[in-house]
Order: sequence, then structure tokens, then C-alpha cells
Amino acid sequence: GQNIDQPTEMTATEGAIVQINCTYQTSGFNGLFWYQQHAGEAPTFLSYNVLDGLEEKGRFSSFLSRSKGYSYLLLKELQMKDSASYLCAVTDSNYQLIWGAGTKLIIKP
Amino acid sequence: SAVISQKPSRDICQRGTSLTIQCQVDSQVTMMFWYRQQPGQSLTLIATANQGSEATYESGFVIDKFPISRPNLTFSTLTVSNMSPEDSSIYLCSVAAGDRHEQFFGPGTRLTVL
Repeated sequence: GQNIDQPTEMTATEGAIVQINCTYQTSGFNGLFWYQQHAGEAPTFLSYNVLDGLEEKGRFSSFLSRSKGYSYLLLKELQMKDSASYLCAVTDSNYQLIWGAGTKLIIKP
Repeated sequence: SAVISQKPSRDICQRGTSLTIQCQVDSQVTMMFWYRQQPGQSLTLIATANQGSEATYESGFVIDKFPISRPNLTFSTLTVSNMSPEDSSIYLCSVAAGDRHEQFFGPGTRLTVL
């Protein structure tokens, strides 16, 4: 079966760095997405990786290792507004998006 | 990117009734999806809305309960039929666009069934 694992919840301090991990087992791979979802709102796109390595976009970076079936989202200089759920999703061989359960990130002052 | 609107944004309904949710996209898209998200949970795909043919439903979802229409490439509706309190959830439509098949989401419809 297809499976995506990520931690249920993480807590970090304002101004710090946090890494959210995602491991996946899917039938084929055509890319990995990270989405951010604030409570009561729709998910919004954060990053996309299809090749191994690190993609950096401002305070957010995403890493992919296809051989390990592993990705992480790195958030630097955390702000209170970063409190949200972070969803990992993988596009399989049929271009269907398989969603992880999401990681709720709590930022403390 | 795509801009997606949904109507209604929220509703409170009585048990046994039905509600139709509309999803409008600002450009023509091939792939359109309907999701359900229950409180504190992640996204669950209900079905893929296909233009000109019947929707493709995921395991656990059936057409009688969640009929879907897709009359053209910019519009779709999802009906939640014979509602029960267990149907209380946020319903989201999304579209896939671009070479990456990135999905863009509408703002969601928050449904409460009493």
C-alpha cells in the first residue's frame, strides 16, 4: 500500500529552527510537496522537490532523498505566524497526490 | 496558479437533508478533486470530478451519498445527501495545474449537521 509518515505534533520556540520529517512509500514517484495549513483555512503550497537535494525559499527549505524515501521541511527564524499544520504529499506514478496526516507545529514565545 | 471559489462558505443543516457545494475556477482545468477534512484530521480524497463522465470515487465514498457534477472545465458541484452529524466536516475542492500537477485549493465549505 501507499504510506506517508510524519510526526503528529511538534513544538518549537520563536526565533529557533525546526525540522519536520516525512517518509514515504508509494507506487512510483513524481514529486513531493509541502503545504501549510492554518487552522480553519485551506492548504497553501510551500515547496516542491522532484530531484534529490535542498530547495531553499526564504526562511523555508525542503530536502529530498529519493533513495531513502525521505524529505524534510526546515523552518528557520520561527515566527508565531508559523504555527500551523504542515502536510507532506507525494505524487505517485498515476500523478495522484498521496497525503500525509500532517504535522501540527506549535510555536511558543 | 488558479483562483478557486466555493459556495457556500459555511452552512448548518438538519439531519436527513442535502447540501450542494459549488466550486468555480478562474481558468479551464482538467483535474478537479473533492476532499473532506474532519476536525484535526488531514485531507481525505472523496473523488476526482471528471468532465463529461462520471466521477471517480475513492474507497468508502459512493455516488449515492456524494453525487458530483462536472458540466465544464471550470465548474463542479458536490452534493452531500441524506446528511447525518457524521458528515460535519470541511469540504474542499482543488484543481491540479502545471507540469508538477500542483494542487490549488478553494477556501472550503464548513458544514455542520445537527
